[in-house]
Amino acid sequence: RKEVEQDPGPFNVPEGATVAFNCTYSNSASQSFFWYRQDCRKEPKLLMSVYSSGNEDGRFTAQLNRASQYISLLIRDSKLSDSATYLCVVNVPPFGNEKLTFGTGTRLTIIP
Amino acid sequence: EPEVTQTPSHQVTQMGQEVILRCVPISNHLYFYWYRQILGQKVEFLVSFYNNEISEKSEIFDDQFSVERPDGSNFTLKIRSTKLEDSAMYFCASLASGTASTDTQYFGPGTRLTVL
Repeated sequence: RKEVEQDPGPFNVPEGATVAFNCTYSNSASQSFFWYRQDCRKEPKLLMSVYSSGNEDGRFTAQLNRASQYISLLIRDSKLSDSATYLCVVNVPPFGNEKLTFGTGTRLTIIP
Repeated sequence: EPEVTQTPSHQVTQMGQEVILRCVPISNHLYFYWYRQILGQKVEFLVSFYNNEISEKSEIFDDQFSVERPDGSNFTLKIRSTKLEDSAMYFCASLASGTASTDTQYFGPGTRLTVL
């Protein structure tokens, strides 16, 4: 089983629509979870951390289900600028020296 | 906003040559990392560095690779004898302290290494 698994897409979504991405991770000892976005040939940039209780940042909502080892990202009212690859990222213990393990990413294209 | 910087942005080298990729992490950060991303593939961890020594390294980080923090600001990745399969984007990252579960790594813009 892959350490972090994502549907690679591509997701082609009309502007204004809502889109959801899912991710599963294999290491139950993982403690920190993130969504990064990566534009073509650029570095990964932190979109948001994912908390156990779920969290929201504007149009973006992240959820974590530790029992199922499942993370999700919801984007509401999608904008053209949301077109990017979304990376599900999980830390690998020991806590305090957080080697990040990346999924392959889900490619999103917002269509005008 | 403080940021991680990397030089050069693009390095072209011949197979078998040595290359040094340079990074300047964010100034008050304590942990430093190198990752690589082969074109079309996922980002992969290479090595982490803390307190002037390697704290963890992956299978990719073999004897051809080394890291150094020579002067308290720069953090370098050296590949002694490059192979074709070393062609990739190399990202440096730094982390403030790792003591908060939400503390996270900030990535530099990357160096694209092309081995001919």
